[in-house]
Amino acid sequence: GAVVSQHPSWVICKSGTSVKIECRSLDFQATTMFWYRQFPKQSLMLMATSNEGSKATYEQGVEKDKFLINHASLTLSTLTVTSAHPEDSSFYICSASKTGTSGKGQFFGPGTRLTVL
Amino acid sequence: AQSVTQPDIHITVSEGASLELRCNYSYGATPYLFWYVQSPGQGLQLLLKYFSGDTLVQGIKGFEAEFKRSQSSFNLRKPSVHWSDAAEYFCAVGARAGSYQLTFGKGTKLSVIP
Repeated sequence: GAVVSQHPSWVICKSGTSVKIECRSLDFQATTMFWYRQFPKQSLMLMATSNEGSKATYEQGVEKDKFLINHASLTLSTLTVTSAHPEDSSFYICSASKTGTSGKGQFFGPGTRLTVL
Repeated sequence: AQSVTQPDIHITVSEGASLELRCNYSYGATPYLFWYVQSPGQGLQLLLKYFSGDTLVQGIKGFEAEFKRSQSSFNLRKPSVHWSDAAEYFCAVGARAGSYQLTFGKGTKLSVIP
């Protein structure tokens, strides 16, 4: 199988605090992980591409200082939303691409619902 | 840059009826193509994918899709819809090189009438 987990599945925080979301590939190694954001009733928007051991590549319009991504190992990537504000409330989904598969599919985590009060 | 168009925002079908969800893509060459399904509040589940070879691909839950290069389409079909198929369906295009990132369509919400 190719299972990707996310933790936490949901989080509620106060405005101004930071929140860390973990994405783990449980049974495979993932050189590349992707972070998406999904607003209600909308599609997934790619935020950044994360490669193990290097800096993440952010999509245009995504603030890299606000959305800190760390991909420290082949099975773990973290997204930290710094100084969160209500407009950061969203559904955050990660995905992982198996090492050596040349992009032939991404496996998605179950998502993390972030609500900023 | 790659892009995906799903022309239908919302489709309603009766249980047992056939289904076709449309997907058109824009890409410089033959892309990787995917269909995902998302239930409310859940992540994405892969239904099927096309990389090369036979242009008619079979997926899980009785779904199939056909890649038509001349029409730049990858429509999803199911001969008989079940109530449990009600969900949001996303078509995605994957790059064959570089970061292999996916670009998603806006999704089609499927409602099933009992």
